[in-house]
Amino acid sequence: AQKVTQAQTEISVVEKEDVTLDCVYETRDTTYYLFWYKQPPSGELVFLIRRNSFDEQNEISGRYSWNFQKSTSSFNFTITASQVVDSAVYFCALSEVADSWGKFQFGAGTQVVVTP
Amino acid sequence: EPEVTQTPSHQVTQMGQEVILRCVPISNHLYFYWYRQILGQKVEFLVSFYNNEISEKSEIFDDQFSVERPDGSNFTLKIRSTKLEDSAMYFCASRYDRSSYEQYFGPGTRLTVT
Repeated sequence: AQKVTQAQTEISVVEKEDVTLDCVYETRDTTYYLFWYKQPPSGELVFLIRRNSFDEQNEISGRYSWNFQKSTSSFNFTITASQVVDSAVYFCALSEVADSWGKFQFGAGTQVVVTP
Repeated sequence: EPEVTQTPSHQVTQMGQEVILRCVPISNHLYFYWYRQILGQKVEFLVSFYNNEISEKSEIFDDQFSVERPDGSNFTLKIRSTKLEDSAMYFCASRYDRSSYEQYFGPGTRLTVT
């Protein structure tokens, strides 16, 4: 079963628009970690954020912000005032503490296309 | 800052050939992983490795795959007889210890099987 769902396959925006990427996860664990990664066209995975299940504070880092809501099992990501350099695939991932070996379970990714 | 490295960055091989993908994890890390990403798809877990043995593997990780930490620094993924469907990006990752849930990913090796 899909543990991490990113329902948006592709989002296209014009530069300076805001874009929000949805991530819904499923777990029975009370302790888990959520991550967002950016994958630019060059292919590497760029770490953006880690959040544990006990920390529901929203976070802002520059133009990036994250909204974690345990009640809806969502960990959404917003890029404010998007730029062309934000064009990439963005992945949400889950790691469950009950899984001793800590593997990551990734969502299918959302392709963000920012046009000038 | 320490980082995970992978070689080669791109490997082209013919169907049926054996390939070895190499990774150098961060030196004081204890847990090691391989993930695979078929073009245009999500990143999938293949295998985790701890204390010189496989700790968990996915259904994808069949008898054609093996992993090894031959010398205490390298961590390798071997595919014995490559198939067209093995064409993918392969990511290595390492993790410090059991209490740390962050994995550090290498830049990936793009494997093309012709």
